[in-house]
Amino acid sequence: AQSVTQLGSHVSVSEGALVLLRCNYSSSVPPYLFWYVQYPNQGLQLLLKYTSAATLVKGINGFEAEFKKSETSFHLTKPSAHMSDAAEYFCAVILPSGAGSYQLTFGKGTKLSVIP
Amino acid sequence: ETGVTQTPRHLVMGMTNKKSLKCEQHLGHNAMYWYKQSAKKPLELMFVYSLEERVENNSVPSRFSPECPNSSHLFLHLHTLQPEDSALYLCASSQEAHSNTEAFFGQGTRLTVV
Repeated sequence: AQSVTQLGSHVSVSEGALVLLRCNYSSSVPPYLFWYVQYPNQGLQLLLKYTSAATLVKGINGFEAEFKKSETSFHLTKPSAHMSDAAEYFCAVILPSGAGSYQLTFGKGTKLSVIP
Repeated sequence: ETGVTQTPRHLVMGMTNKKSLKCEQHLGHNAMYWYKQSAKKPLELMFVYSLEERVENNSVPSRFSPECPNSSHLFLHLHTLQPEDSALYLCASSQEAHSNTEAFFGQGTRLTVV
């Protein structure tokens, strides 16, 4: 069963426009949620994380995400896109998998293009 | 500096070669992971190590052989690979295996099998 779904494998925005990358999760218990960014031929870098404290989470590079339990969503936003934001973004969720253990699951990724 | 270092960054090998990928973490973590990232496919978890003991092996072909001599080092030994094994191989670490803490990734090794 898919634990995390990213809507849109590819999103294009103009420089200076709002960035909105969508992530929905499926869980019956409070999850831990993360956004990672991957630049070409690089590893994944943590942008931000939600761990049941404030529902609005601020990350690096001006990104933020809001945890909405009623919508089971954790969408990533940035008010004004910069050319350097062009990368692939991965939503990830950590859920209990039984016996005090947890499992980390990644979404399929959304490639963000920024048009000058 | 991400705290997780992978070498080499790029590797081209023939199908009959034997090579190894190396990963080192400087974060004091107890868990280390190998992931495979292929074009147009989700990240695939290959192996999980906790305190040098393999705790998960997700149906990975035997031509991939991991080794974890201590909690700071992780290797992936490769032999008789196939062209479809060409991918970005990512190493990661976390405080504990299967815990609720985030994973930290290395920059990856881009492997091309010819």
